[in-house]
Amino acid sequence: KQEVTQIPAALSVPEGENLVLNCSFTDSAIYNLQWFRQDPGKGLTSLLLIQSSQREQTSGRLNASLDKSSGRSTLYIAASQPGDSATYLCAVRGQTGANNLFFGTGTRLTVIP
Amino acid sequence: NAGVTQTPKFQVLKTGQSMTLQCAQDMNHNSMYWYRQDPGMGLRLIYYSASEGTTDKGEVPNGYNVSRLNKREFSLRLESAAPSQTSVYFCASSPEGSYGYTFGSGTRLTVV
Repeated sequence: KQEVTQIPAALSVPEGENLVLNCSFTDSAIYNLQWFRQDPGKGLTSLLLIQSSQREQTSGRLNASLDKSSGRSTLYIAASQPGDSATYLCAVRGQTGANNLFFGTGTRLTVIP
Repeated sequence: NAGVTQTPKFQVLKTGQSMTLQCAQDMNHNSMYWYRQDPGMGLRLIYYSASEGTTDKGEVPNGYNVSRLNKREFSLRLESAAPSQTSVYFCASSPEGSYGYTFGSGTRLTVV
């Protein structure tokens, strides 16, 4: 079974700092990897989707990379802002079956003004 | 706006009561899912439907039933609610193949 790990579980940074969130997975046979943001008491908002054939995706201050062979992805946030404070989840979609989305437990990010 | 709509947003039930959580998507996705999210446990799949007319158990199906009413709608029913079912419930949908998932905003359920 695919296992997804996110480290660290929590992170606090001062405003303006660049930061990296990590995600690792055990089975490299994936369709894609998706990064989500979840605000307290809210739903999941998709941030970036990287296909297995891609190395990275960018959206504004966010850049996600994927190294499928080593089972790793990173989410880079540039010039962090207090509004970036949230929990960030990565999810890996496997190649077989319909029940094939595996979540990490998330990194809770706090950006201090 | 296109997306996944869940109702209700909040619900309080007494132990033993029943209720149905509704989910609808307007993106013409084949697959739909019900997850629950509990502190420290992450997101766990309850049931999923790969296409209209089919449903399958996920990781934690006990105490729940589902109905894929049509391609748009996928409901989750609690026949006899228990305090252990206090959770936040998310519905999601996806197309076939290598595409991402879209999640609803969730239903916060408390069973007392």
